[in-house]
Amino acid sequence: DQQVKQNSPSLSVQEGRISILNCDYTNSMFDYFLWYKKYPAEGPTFLISISSIKDKNEDGRFTVFLNKSAKHLSLHIVPSQPGDSAVYFCAASLSRLTFGEGTQLTVNP
Amino acid sequence: DTAVSQTPKYLVTQMGNDKSIKCEQNLGHDTMYWYKQDSKKFLKIMFSYNNKELIINETVPNRFSPKSPDKAHLNLHINSLELGDSAVYFCASSQGGSGGYGETQYFGPGTRLLVL
Repeated sequence: DQQVKQNSPSLSVQEGRISILNCDYTNSMFDYFLWYKKYPAEGPTFLISISSIKDKNEDGRFTVFLNKSAKHLSLHIVPSQPGDSAVYFCAASLSRLTFGEGTQLTVNP
Repeated sequence: DTAVSQTPKYLVTQMGNDKSIKCEQNLGHDTMYWYKQDSKKFLKIMFSYNNKELIINETVPNRFSPKSPDKAHLNLHINSLELGDSAVYFCASSQGGSGGYGETQYFGPGTRLLVL
């Protein structure tokens, strides 16, 4: 009964292209959605978030899209850079954070 | 000047032992958390403290006992360690609340626990 799922364990893209990371959730009561980025041997760091009343939030190269009817959100990174290579966790908020299992993004030079 | 620090970074121990992991944050935050990242890579909340008071206690064996001596510290003591306790444990903190309203949480580097 995992409420937040990231179905792609890994994604590989070329430098300069777009990276799209996906996340699905089941609980329509979640009020915020967040993306965290994690490098090896480090803790997750906050990247970007979106309120459930919005459908898009942009911060520099990072944009998060929320489709509430589909219970789906995605993170777009444009252009992708080798330093973006990390594990990306989707998280949903409702009195506590519920995390997905992460997607390993590799950006090839 | 690390924001959220944990000690030790690595912990290898035998089944049945008792061990503690320490966490400190210098961000002035009111709320601290312990998460467990298991072999399937899910990050799952275990406990949350707000101003030294326990506010989240997920379904965790009572061999795990958190202790918050002050709002800058949240330690995790584990009794009678079992093989299944092997995981990475992350401490985190946030300014307020318990993770609702999309509040940003700041994570420590993790403690890698291996029970043999």
